[in-house]
Amino acid sequence: RKEVEQDPGPFNVPEGATVAFNCTYSNSASQSFFWYRQDCRKEPKLLMSVYSSGNEDGRFTAQLNRASQYISLLIRDSKLSDSATYLCVVNAASGTYKYIFGTGTRLKVLA
Amino acid sequence: NAGVMQNPRHLVRRRGQEARLRCSPMKGHSHVYWYRQLPEEGLKFMVYLQKENIIDESGMPKERFSAEFPKEGPSILRIQQVVRGDSAAYFCASSLTSGGAYNEQFFGPGTRLTVL
Repeated sequence: RKEVEQDPGPFNVPEGATVAFNCTYSNSASQSFFWYRQDCRKEPKLLMSVYSSGNEDGRFTAQLNRASQYISLLIRDSKLSDSATYLCVVNAASGTYKYIFGTGTRLKVLA
Repeated sequence: NAGVMQNPRHLVRRRGQEARLRCSPMKGHSHVYWYRQLPEEGLKFMVYLQKENIIDESGMPKERFSAEFPKEGPSILRIQQVVRGDSAAYFCASSLTSGGAYNEQFFGPGTRLTVL
């Protein structure tokens, strides 16, 4: 089983749609959780940290379910500029600094 | 406020040559990480360094790869005697802390290494 698993997609959605991505992780001791976005051939950019109580940043909402070991990202009112690959990131058991990346979920927002 | 800087952005080497990749962390950050991304794969942790110290190199191949972060100057990832399988994007990240609050890692634009 992969340490961080994501549905690779692609998710093709119309502008204005709401879309949700899930990610599962295998290490129950993980403490840090993040969503990054990566545009084609560019570096990952931090979208948001994920907190136990869930958190929201504008159109983006992240939630953490420790019991089931999954993380979700909800994007409301999708924009064309949201088209990217969304990376789920969890810290490794051996160190909070060691990020384990999922392979990403591709989102394409269509006009 | 400059972000993480990496150079060169693109590097072409022939098999057997050496590749040197440089990374300057964000201002005020003393924690540096190197990751490798193979085509169509996720980023894989290679090494974590603080100034003058290698903290964790568990993700770095034992042979041909080395990393340093001197007191002055950028962090360097060095690959000796490159092989075609080394072709990848190498990303550097930096953070203010390594755990607890403010441990988010910010990434540089990457160096795309192509081995001919």
